[in-house]
Amino acid sequence: NAGVTQTPKFQVLKTGQSMTLQCAQDMNHEYMSWYRQDPGMGLRLIHYSVGAGITDQGEVPNGYNVSRSTTEDFPLRLLSAAPSQTSVYFCASSYWGLAGGIEQFFGPGTRLTVL
Amino acid sequence: DAKTTQPNSMESNEEEPVHLPCNHSTISGTDYIHWYRQLPSQGPEYVIHGLTSNVNNRMASLAIAEDRKSSTLILHRATLRDAAVYYCIGVGNQFYFGTGTSLTVIP
Repeated sequence: NAGVTQTPKFQVLKTGQSMTLQCAQDMNHEYMSWYRQDPGMGLRLIHYSVGAGITDQGEVPNGYNVSRSTTEDFPLRLLSAAPSQTSVYFCASSYWGLAGGIEQFFGPGTRLTVL
Repeated sequence: DAKTTQPNSMESNEEEPVHLPCNHSTISGTDYIHWYRQLPSQGPEYVIHGLTSNVNNRMASLAIAEDRKSSTLILHRATLRDAAVYYCIGVGNQFYFGTGTSLTVIP
């Protein structure tokens, strides 16, 4: 199993550009989520999904869109990049059964810089 | 989901036990307590989780207070590879990370 994979590893954008961060998992996990981590801070939840076709907002959803058309993939779209979105982005997945009692698996992260 | 409070940083000597505390006084009866750690430039890594009783695995032990308002992650013998930021998370429906405890292991 590859686990949770994220592409790209690094990305530089100009203000106003849009892009999609890719996340895929091969563990047949129902639950997938996106976090951002600013320097010296903990992770903050952006969006999450409990299954194909179902998404919801986390703590900091503004400026980001998600969709979940398959179990495996959960892309994160930046609509119009801003310098405040400079961060490291982590995708995670887990089974979704016993709420709260499940281990999450994290990807290696995408380091995004917006100029 | 419970808000958690952890010390910003701790130090430990190599090969000595480390006790990392966490307060979660607002935890509900169904919130699990999870611990993750994050090594530099990596994604978080699962360490251990529990609900009411103490838990052990190959990485660590988790001691949960009887009133569930606090817990302690125990690393039995700290190694240099254990230097990381440790996050305590009260999980109901979602994982909300705080700023964690940065553990320094001194050779």
